[in-house]
Amino acid sequence: NAGVMQNPRHLVRRRGQEARLRCSPMKGHSHVYWYRQLPEEGLKFMVYLQKENIIDESGMPKERFSAEFPKEGPSILRIQQVVRGDSAAYFCASSILTSAETQYFGPGTRLLVL
Amino acid sequence: GQQLNQSPQSMFIQEGEDVSMNCTSSSIFNTWLWYKQDPGEGPVLLIALYKAGELTSNGRLTAQFGITRKDSFLNISASIPSDVGIYFCAGQLGRGASGSRLTFGEGTQLTVNP
Repeated sequence: NAGVMQNPRHLVRRRGQEARLRCSPMKGHSHVYWYRQLPEEGLKFMVYLQKENIIDESGMPKERFSAEFPKEGPSILRIQQVVRGDSAAYFCASSILTSAETQYFGPGTRLLVL
Repeated sequence: GQQLNQSPQSMFIQEGEDVSMNCTSSSIFNTWLWYKQDPGEGPVLLIALYKAGELTSNGRLTAQFGITRKDSFLNISASIPSDVGIYFCAGQLGRGASGSRLTFGEGTQLTVNP
């Protein structure tokens, strides 16, 4: 029973390019959360999605960031025109319910912007 | 927004010693959780707490949900080298538009000397 999968594990982009981060939730999970972790800091909530719906995007930057969780396929976190400050680890969590203990985290994508 | 203050930031201990770390919040949470994160990986849930005053154990780990619902602590007894890692507290409100999100502390880096 595979856990939460994220790819790529590492991503290098130059300033101004686009970054696409993918998250495949655990089988049967229909809730997906994205968190960002800056070096030596805790995780910060970004967005919560259910299939085809954004439920809570209060942690998403207003510009350049978007997320989707289509009916079929993985959830995508998209960062347009990346800047150096976007360099961070991005974690996806999935759950079958909304309760906290059911959020299982993936291994993360480390984004480095040159 | 809600913030969690976690202390200490780092700890250096000898194998066999007990460890204690805690988190305080400016506002209440209805669920408190403790995670461990190894380098290059996502957080893994250690203990979840659901009721004010609740004391829960998981092997050598013990955690408590503060009566005011604004704090929690984690104890690790008889530490071993594999306890090395970063420990995070997290809170979940559990209701309302932003109820599903987890709010994380800044982490406690634990080093265990054999």
